[in-house]
Amino acid sequence: GAVVSQHPSWVICKSGTSVKIECRSLDFQATTMFWYRQFPKQSLMLMATSNEGSKATYEQGVEKDKFLINHASLTLSTLTVTSAHPEDSSFYICSGPGDRNYGYTFGSGTRLTVV
Amino acid sequence: DAKTTQPNSMESNEEEPVHLPCNHSTISGTDYIHWYRQLPSQGPEYVIHGLTSNVNNRMASLAIAEDRKSSTLILHRATLRDAAVYYCILSAGAGGTSYGKLTFGQGTILTVHP
Repeated sequence: GAVVSQHPSWVICKSGTSVKIECRSLDFQATTMFWYRQFPKQSLMLMATSNEGSKATYEQGVEKDKFLINHASLTLSTLTVTSAHPEDSSFYICSGPGDRNYGYTFGSGTRLTVV
Repeated sequence: DAKTTQPNSMESNEEEPVHLPCNHSTISGTDYIHWYRQLPSQGPEYVIHGLTSNVNNRMASLAIAEDRKSSTLILHRATLRDAAVYYCILSAGAGGTSYGKLTFGQGTILTVHP
């Protein structure tokens, strides 16, 4: 089945700095990937759809200038949280595109803590 | 987006079957029914999905009502490792404008007792 690798697993950064999270498809090529955010004791919320070679599509209410998405190759999508603030502390999860046999494959998630 | 309704929590004993219900009365004809589970501090894990017919795999079975307005995830013999949050999600089929966009509800917290 499809494997998605997400790094780092956790990161602590200072307020005002930027953090990059990587999501790699290890055994398939992905023209589309998805980024979710999950706050404690809440469900996952889709933030944006990452499109290889073109601009990402952001969900309503998600600031595209704050959450920069780059999908420069068929195996790598990155999410950069710019000028991070404590309220950006969350669990960020990426997902590959759907597969008819294996559904959607998710990364292991990145726990971001902004201090 | 079509939404799903699940009980907030359920409990089971180890080695007993578990039936996790999901209502999706506004499902469209092209929506697939997906189930995922999530352990604390991990990304969701695919469990099973189907369109109209019941489905079985090594993890679970999916029973889909004839009118497709509800479904049940069946874990045949619960283990402690099955304790997780289970999400029932409707996913648009390929070609749909919402393809790939998964709308997660609150899910069902499954507790398995030894």
